[in-house]
Amino acid sequence: KAGVTQTPRYLIKTRGQQVTLSCSPISGHRSVSWYQQTPGQGLQFLFEYFSETQRNKGNFPGRFSGRQFSNSRSEMNVSTLELGDSALYLCASKQGSYNEQFFGPGTRLTVL
Amino acid sequence: DQQVKQNSPSLSVQEGRISILNCDYTNSMFDYFLWYKKYPAEGPTFLISISSIKDKNEDGRFTVFLNKSAKHLSLHIVPSQPGDSAVYFCAGGMIMGSNYKLTFGKGTLLTVNP
Repeated sequence: KAGVTQTPRYLIKTRGQQVTLSCSPISGHRSVSWYQQTPGQGLQFLFEYFSETQRNKGNFPGRFSGRQFSNSRSEMNVSTLELGDSALYLCASKQGSYNEQFFGPGTRLTVL
Repeated sequence: DQQVKQNSPSLSVQEGRISILNCDYTNSMFDYFLWYKKYPAEGPTFLISISSIKDKNEDGRFTVFLNKSAKHLSLHIVPSQPGDSAVYFCAGGMIMGSNYKLTFGKGTLLTVNP
């Protein structure tokens, strides 16, 4: 079974731009969660989607948004990028509510 | 409010010795605790977990201990190997209705020296 895949792996943007990151979960997994990893803050939860509905949200500003498609693939969008948005963005999928999460390799976003 | 705290950003041990990674939490509603290991340029991978009703879980070289009264858990790695060098994240899991939410700590970088 293929693992969680994320595209692109690396991205460089400038302040004010917007970016869309993509995540393909493991086949059969319906839940996709997004996390932001920075050296100072560790792994911070952004949001979780299950069956195309957002069912959990972390404490991030509205510039961070996401969606999930009928095939469970998910996208995360960040608008009006700030320097502080530079981070590794990780996506994780799981089969149901209480199963183990499997992480993708992440997208390294650099905002200049 | 940081519900899961890993107060040591880094830890260095000699190969063959014991590594002890610590984690404190404030939310007594966590039902489950997990440890994840992360290598550079890879996503975190699940290592070991423990239910809040247990005080110990062992899997090979890895043992997790839970002290609920102290709201503290620790991961022991014996013996430590150079391949264990990675960032270790502690996470608390909570069932919220039909949902299950994980809260991660900031991570501890473990370096095992040959």
